[in-house]
Amino acid sequence: NAGVTQTPKFRVLKTGQSMTLLCAQDMNHEYMYWYRQDPGMGLRLIHYSVGEGTTAKGEVPDGYNVSRLKKQNFLLGLESAAPSQTSVYFCASSYSRYTDTQYFGPGTRLTVL
Amino acid sequence: RKEVEQDPGPFNVPEGATVAFNCTYSNSASQSFFWYRQDCRKEPKLLMSVYSSGNEDGRFTAQLNRASQYISLLIRDSKLSDSATYLCVVTNYGGSQGNLIFGKGTKLSVKP
Repeated sequence: NAGVTQTPKFRVLKTGQSMTLLCAQDMNHEYMYWYRQDPGMGLRLIHYSVGEGTTAKGEVPDGYNVSRLKKQNFLLGLESAAPSQTSVYFCASSYSRYTDTQYFGPGTRLTVL
Repeated sequence: RKEVEQDPGPFNVPEGATVAFNCTYSNSASQSFFWYRQDCRKEPKLLMSVYSSGNEDGRFTAQLNRASQYISLLIRDSKLSDSATYLCVVTNYGGSQGNLIFGKGTKLSVKP
């Protein structure tokens, strides 16, 4: 039981490049989330999903897209990376939306030059 | 006023000390409350949920004061391994995010 895994762990991009971050969970959770964490800003929700095939915007969705084609996977895409997207990205999943523990992946450290 | 506010610290305490953190939240309709722990360069992990009646888990005690809209975490007999950042988390049902709102965290450093 691996829990929540994220790929890649580290990545350096140039401005304008695109990339996809992959999140996978093996706990059969319905709910999945993408957060970014910046110094002094705390965790901020980018997008989330309440089930396979559904996605919704969070607090800071601009510049990102997501897809949940399979229940166990939640992909975060950066269409045209900007230096402001340099951050640590965490994926999380939970059984229920409000009252249940969110389980986090180990994070992806992204630097955009 | 920010939705969830915490003193960023750092709180520097000796081993064996008792330390308390407070957190305030702005939405009186908030229903669920948690403390998460985040070690340096690691992911957040649930420490404990916070219930209206207060709850204890070993050396950790969490309290909720709905009237004053604050949550507290008390750590007794601090260990070196307690050094981490503690995140106060609140759920706002039906909000635009409709999910967990994280505070920025309070950093604790326990010294020998």
